[in-house]
Amino acid sequence: QAGLTQPPSVSKGLRQTATLTCTGNSNNVGNHGAAWLQQHQGHPPKLLSYRNNNRPSGISERLSASRSGNTASLTITGLQPEDEADYYCSTWDSSLRAVVFGGGTKLTVL
Amino acid sequence: QVQLVQSGAEVKKPGASVKVSCKASGYTFSSYDINWVRQATGQGLEWVAYMNPNSGNTGYAQKFQGRVTMTTNTSISTAYMELSSLRSEDTAVYYCAKENFDLWGRGTLVTVSS
Repeated sequence: QAGLTQPPSVSKGLRQTATLTCTGNSNNVGNHGAAWLQQHQGHPPKLLSYRNNNRPSGISERLSASRSGNTASLTITGLQPEDEADYYCSTWDSSLRAVVFGGGTKLTVL
Repeated sequence: QVQLVQSGAEVKKPGASVKVSCKASGYTFSSYDINWVRQATGQGLEWVAYMNPNSGNTGYAQKFQGRVTMTTNTSISTAYMELSSLRSEDTAVYYCAKENFDLWGRGTLVTVSS
């Protein structure tokens, strides 16, 4: 089934800002927004942002999520070594009647 | 403590079935959907299905329809996912996750090998 489109990799320097994108269509991101998840190697994913762009408690204020049309974005400021991970977006697709995930973006902090 | 505790790793032969459990604690189990998501080694996340423990409503990814069965036992706050007709491509870590993906189990490795 069709998923969401994320760039496979993004590399940024320490203390820089990274913006990760997630592109869908009007049946998913455009209508329902997107949640963002972070996954470190060997661990389960961790929710960073709900579909309404709110952060769960305990998530750093360096992270912020937004949406414009059919594209959702996650911005991480002041990059730290611990931000190096895989990032996934996810939402509900009302046409497929299914949850869809992006393919994930591997963020490297140089 | 709010958590989802999954059953241990499984090794199955092709054609067999596997049943994975996910026990919730620290929140009202019946009030939130349970999702099942899998991840093959080195691959991304793939949604399998969801179930609402209260209503019994379910939803499945099209590729798993007919092969996956989800059940819940609300008296012990546990959800189950059974996947049948296993093939090697089903080898993956299977996660359960609370409705908005704000709580995940540690995952259950299912290996399908002859």
